[in-house]
Amino acid sequence: DTAVSQTPKYLVTQMGNDKSIKCEQNLGHDTMYWYKQDSKKFLKIMFSYNNKELIINETVPNRFSPKSPDKAHLNLHINSLELGDSAVYFCASSQDVASGRDEQFFGPGTRLTVL
Amino acid sequence: GNSVTQMEGPVTLSEEAFLTINCTYTATGYPSLFWYVQYPGEGLQLLLKATKADDKGSNKGFEATYRKETTSFHLEKGSVQVSDSAVYFCALTNFNKFYFGSGTKLNVKP
Repeated sequence: DTAVSQTPKYLVTQMGNDKSIKCEQNLGHDTMYWYKQDSKKFLKIMFSYNNKELIINETVPNRFSPKSPDKAHLNLHINSLELGDSAVYFCASSQDVASGRDEQFFGPGTRLTVL
Repeated sequence: GNSVTQMEGPVTLSEEAFLTINCTYTATGYPSLFWYVQYPGEGLQLLLKATKADDKGSNKGFEATYRKETTSFHLEKGSVQVSDSAVYFCALTNFNKFYFGSGTKLNVKP
């Protein structure tokens, strides 16, 4: 029973291509996130959705577009891939409560390699 | 603003040694504090958390105490094992936004 799942686990593609990464959570959480982890393990928040609405949109290129068809899914579409997009992308979810104190549950990650 | 600072790695220890990974934070309001662990090739997993000052989080022999006076949440374990080798992230959350430290890699040698 995977709580947060991502597909694909590995993605190798050429520069200039468009690709998507899918994320699903079966925890009933209201909030979902996308993070980028670079080769030095540094984690950077990219986006956050709460009940299908965008609530966090950090400074990322507009080639990255998140889409949330329902609150259990948050997909990440990337246009015109560049070498610098190579990283591991993590999806996460958390329960949205007024205090905002609940922990995040992470997916296994998608390793994107742009050639 | 909100931020988390943790000690740079890698930290290399022999099995059964004592572990401390330092973490300090800056935050407005009353954040919750977390330690996450990332094993090779996997996503992050929650290790422990503390939601208010003087709380102690503990799990799998690890523990950390929320110290508001020193704005710290240091991770400790009395006797590390080879299986503890991983990257450890300190984090805080404030109003639905998470702030992660840069991660500390721990290598435990037999």
